[in-house]
Amino acid sequence: KAGVTQTPRYLIKTRGQQVTLSCSPISGHRSVSWYQQTPGQGLQFLFEYFSETQRNKGNFPGRFSGRQFSNSRSEMNVSTLELGDSALYLCASSARTVGYGYTFGSGTRLTVV
Amino acid sequence: TQLLEQSPQFLSIQEGENLTVYCNSSSVFSSLQWYRQEPGEGPVLLVTVVTGGEVKKLKRLTFQFGDARKDSSLHITAAQPGDTGLYLCAGARLSDTSGSRLTFGEGTQLTVNP
Repeated sequence: KAGVTQTPRYLIKTRGQQVTLSCSPISGHRSVSWYQQTPGQGLQFLFEYFSETQRNKGNFPGRFSGRQFSNSRSEMNVSTLELGDSALYLCASSARTVGYGYTFGSGTRLTVV
Repeated sequence: TQLLEQSPQFLSIQEGENLTVYCNSSSVFSSLQWYRQEPGEGPVLLVTVVTGGEVKKLKRLTFQFGDARKDSSLHITAAQPGDTGLYLCAGARLSDTSGSRLTFGEGTQLTVNP
């Protein structure tokens, strides 16, 4: 079965711009989570969407938002980009049951200049 | 905030040696997962342990979940250069009211030299 697909793979944006990242989960998975990975902070949880509703949110400013569509595809948006937003953004898909692991996409590498 | 402390942060060994990576927390998790990540790619799930005291083996890799479900270890026997990568432990919390999330350790960068 197809894995988790994230687009685009690479992005370069200017400070102050906004960006939208996309994630298509594994077929049948209704839970999509987003993580930010940086060398200094490691992997940090952004938010989780399940059945089109945000179920959990990490400690990130309101500039970071997301949504999930009825087909479980998810988008993440970052507004007013800052240099510190440069990171690898990872999407993870899960069947959301105890003991079931997460399948990650290859990520979107965002560089803010 | 639930934290996972992973050690060591860096490990460089020779092919054929054994190694153990530790993951410790003061919090209880629904399950604990181990991932391996290659540069520029997302983490790939190696194993999920759910029951306290559980031991799982994956070829030369042995994973153990602590009795209290707060800590875990990964042991690699006779390491090979192909084992090189970033190993991440992650505690999973799943709740009907607060959703699900993974809390990651800092990672262990393993280098196995030929």
